[in-house]
Amino acid sequence: GESVGLHLPTLSVQEGDNSIINCAYSNSASDYFIWYKQESGKGPQFIIDIRSNMDKRQGQRVTVLLNKTVKHLSLQIAATQPGDSAVYFCAENRNYGQNFVFGPGTRLSVLP
Amino acid sequence: KAGVTQTPRYLIKTRGQQVTLSCSPISGHRSVSWYQQTPGQGLQFLFEYFSETQRNKGNFPGRFSGRQFSNSRSEMNVSTLELGDSALYLCASSTGSGDQETQYFGPGTRLLVL
Repeated sequence: GESVGLHLPTLSVQEGDNSIINCAYSNSASDYFIWYKQESGKGPQFIIDIRSNMDKRQGQRVTVLLNKTVKHLSLQIAATQPGDSAVYFCAENRNYGQNFVFGPGTRLSVLP
Repeated sequence: KAGVTQTPRYLIKTRGQQVTLSCSPISGHRSVSWYQQTPGQGLQFLFEYFSETQRNKGNFPGRFSGRQFSNSRSEMNVSTLELGDSALYLCASSTGSGDQETQYFGPGTRLLVL
């Protein structure tokens, strides 16, 4: 069935390097996407969102890229820090309302 | 502004029992959504409430139900608990003023069914 997925379940990066977390979605009708960060024992924390009328959006140290042609979403984290270690989820919204479909998540480990 | 709060944080129940979880949204938020998170299935949408009415529903059996009060606080109920209902139950709130909005999550209630 249709789903939101991630290419890499785990990602290890050196502190200070840039991180790229990828997400593939299968429903071309999806038009709103959110990246969340979830630390152990906590609920998902909003990082950044993007709508389908954009292909790039930047926040503080984070950039989200949307490629609608290949239905691909990525989250770039600049100068990765130990505090960035967490599981990152992409979520897509396909319908009216707040019914979001979440990907399986990628665990980011930042090495000292 | 205080964030989304959920009570209780941890809960242990036995099969066949029922459970009620509570969620208080961010002040001013009128939409509350519930999700189930498990290692095997990930984050799955249960339902959304807005102005005391269920506005969206995921693909969960009727044992899972919810309601919303006039102050936007929401409760979720699971009846006849099964072992597979063990999960982290997350509540998220948003203003509810638009079709697609950022959701802000609470810390979750971890339910263990024995």
